Amino acid sequence: AQSVAQPEDQVNVAEGNPLTVKCTYSVSGNPYLFWYVQYPNRGLQFLLKYITGDNLVKGSYGFEAEFNKSQTSFHLKKPSALVSDSALYFCAVRPPERSNDYKLSFGAGTTVTVRA
Amino acid sequence: DVKVTQSSRYLVKRTGEKVFLECVQDMDHENMFWYRQDPGLGLRLIYFSYDVKMKEKGDIPEGYSVSREKKERFSLILESASTNQTSMYLCASTTGGGGRSKLFFGSGTQLSVL
Repeated sequence: AQSVAQPEDQVNVAEGNPLTVKCTYSVSGNPYLFWYVQYPNRGLQFLLKYITGDNLVKGSYGFEAEFNKSQTSFHLKKPSALVSDSALYFCAVRPPERSNDYKLSFGAGTTVTVRA
Repeated sequence: DVKVTQSSRYLVKRTGEKVFLECVQDMDHENMFWYRQDPGLGLRLIYFSYDVKMKEKGDIPEGYSVSREKKERFSLILESASTNQTSMYLCASTTGGGGRSKLFFGSGTQLSVL
């Protein structure tokens, strides 16, 4: 069974500094990996995904993530954080082998606080 | 714009009540999901559906059932609500594509069972 770990419950950074949110996964085969963000009192929104190809994927709001197969990681990054990036971030994974399996496994979430 | 609508933002129910949570999507998506979100546990899948009248158990189906009579509507049913079902419930939908497609989420229903 697949699983996702987000080792940090909280990440605090100053505005303008780089932001990294960590994610490691466990799944057989080559995974499909996703990041979602939840702003206060709102539903989850898709940020980016890795399916295949280039290990560095770019997404919404200036975020990017790097797939590292050897370290089984998919860390989310932003070069210069904004106060408006303060939110709850979720990493998710699913194995690609079964074409009709759309179940995603989500991590526990990381709360990001960007201070002005 | 794509939309997943959950009928209630907040619900307060009594222990033992039968509770219906409704979700409607306007994107003609085949796949719909119900998750619950609890602090420190992330999102856990309750049930999902690949097509009308089709349903599959997720990771935590106990105490829940679902109904999908029409493609656009996916209902979550708590047959006899209990206090440990107090949680945020999120509905999501996605199109086909072998699991490559992103999920679209509703705004959630915060359910409190007293």
